[in-house]
Amino acid sequence: KAGVTQTPRYLIKTRGQQVTLSCSPISGHRSVSWYQQTPGQGLQFLFEYFSETQRNKGNFPGRFSGRQFSNSRSEMNVSTLELGDSALYLCASGQGFLQETQYFGPGTRLLVL
Amino acid sequence: EDKVVQSPLSLVVHEGDTVTLNCSYEVTNFRSLLWYKQEKKAPTFLFMLTSSGIEKKSGRLSSILDKKELFSILNITATQTGDSAVYLCAVASGGGADGLTFGKGTHLIIQP
Repeated sequence: KAGVTQTPRYLIKTRGQQVTLSCSPISGHRSVSWYQQTPGQGLQFLFEYFSETQRNKGNFPGRFSGRQFSNSRSEMNVSTLELGDSALYLCASGQGFLQETQYFGPGTRLLVL
Repeated sequence: EDKVVQSPLSLVVHEGDTVTLNCSYEVTNFRSLLWYKQEKKAPTFLFMLTSSGIEKKSGRLSSILDKKELFSILNITATQTGDSAVYLCAVASGGGADGLTFGKGTHLIIQP
């Protein structure tokens, strides 16, 4: 079974731009969660989608948004990028709700200049 | 605001030693506590704990949850250099918007 895939793996943007990251979960998984990881703040929960509905959302500004498609693939969008958005963005898939076993993808490393 | 605190933040031991990593939490509507291992890339799931006092084991790793005292420990016996990693503790809270709250992690280094 293929694991969680994320594209792109690396991305460089400039302040003010927007970015869209993609995550394809493990086949059969319906839950996709997104996380931001930085050296200073550690791993922080962004949001979780289950069957195309956002079920949980972390404490991030509205510039961070996401969606999930009918095939469970998910995208995350960050608008008006700031330097502080530079981070590793991880997505994780699971069969059920947030607290069940989750499998992480390799992440997208975003650098904002 | 939900809070998860891990200790120690870093730990250096020799191969063969036993280590205990700590995780304490303050969350509303606790649902479960999860442990992950993160090496160079993405975190790998280790355990999910929902019931107090029941130990989960996987090889040399074990974990237990105390819901009364609001903490969990992760034990690793007979450590090996391959156990070197950051160990993350996360708590899932129910009731809507909180999701998963992670601790800062314990950076464990096993010296040969």
